[in-house]
Amino acid sequence: DTGVSQDPRHKITKRGQNVTFRCDPISEHNRLYWYRQTLGQGPEFLTYFQNEAQLEKSRLLSDRFSAERPKGSFSTLEIQRTEQGDSAMYLCASSFLLTRDPRDYEQYFGPGTRLTVT
Amino acid sequence: AQSVTQPDIHITVSEGASLELRCNYSYGATPYLFWYVQSPGQGLQLLLKYFSGDTLVQGIKGFEAEFKRSQSSFNLRKPSVHWSDAAEYFCAVKSRGGYQKVTFGTGTKLQVIP
Repeated sequence: DTGVSQDPRHKITKRGQNVTFRCDPISEHNRLYWYRQTLGQGPEFLTYFQNEAQLEKSRLLSDRFSAERPKGSFSTLEIQRTEQGDSAMYLCASSFLLTRDPRDYEQYFGPGTRLTVT
Repeated sequence: AQSVTQPDIHITVSEGASLELRCNYSYGATPYLFWYVQSPGQGLQLLLKYFSGDTLVQGIKGFEAEFKRSQSSFNLRKPSVHWSDAAEYFCAVKSRGGYQKVTFGTGTKLQVIP
């Protein structure tokens, strides 16, 4: 078990460019989540997948943001036409609910991708 | 809408002293409650969680938290802090319904002095 991995760990881009981040969840986890964390704030929920289906999307996820999980394994988060306000840490998490018992519930977080838009 | 308040942005304690980090939530019904820790360059790690039952919850690294329904609070405690506990701590809530969204507080940064 290598944990949740994210690539790249850091990304610097110019305003207006597109960027794509990748998240590889823990291998048997069927649920995957994206969060955004800005300086001095807690993580903010962006979206959630169960297998390949995107089941929840936050209003924070503007039209410039798109997330996919095509085969129910890794996921990508793309930001088009980046703005300086997109500068943040983007966190991915995964979980696997074996039963409907909520005591099984835990989200495992990756180290994040830090995006800087200049 | 659910919200989480962590009133202390920074806390400094001496090594060996006790610690209490405050968390209050606002939600229609009792949500699931969590405490996470984030060290620099590391991902968030779950310390403990409350779903139901005993209101005093034990977690990893010697931490515990107490759920108080009347105060809508879920404060984190540790009887004796170690230098390695220096990190940022986040309280979080999740609804008991089908939604998977977790709402985090703004965090409390803990500094430990020798």
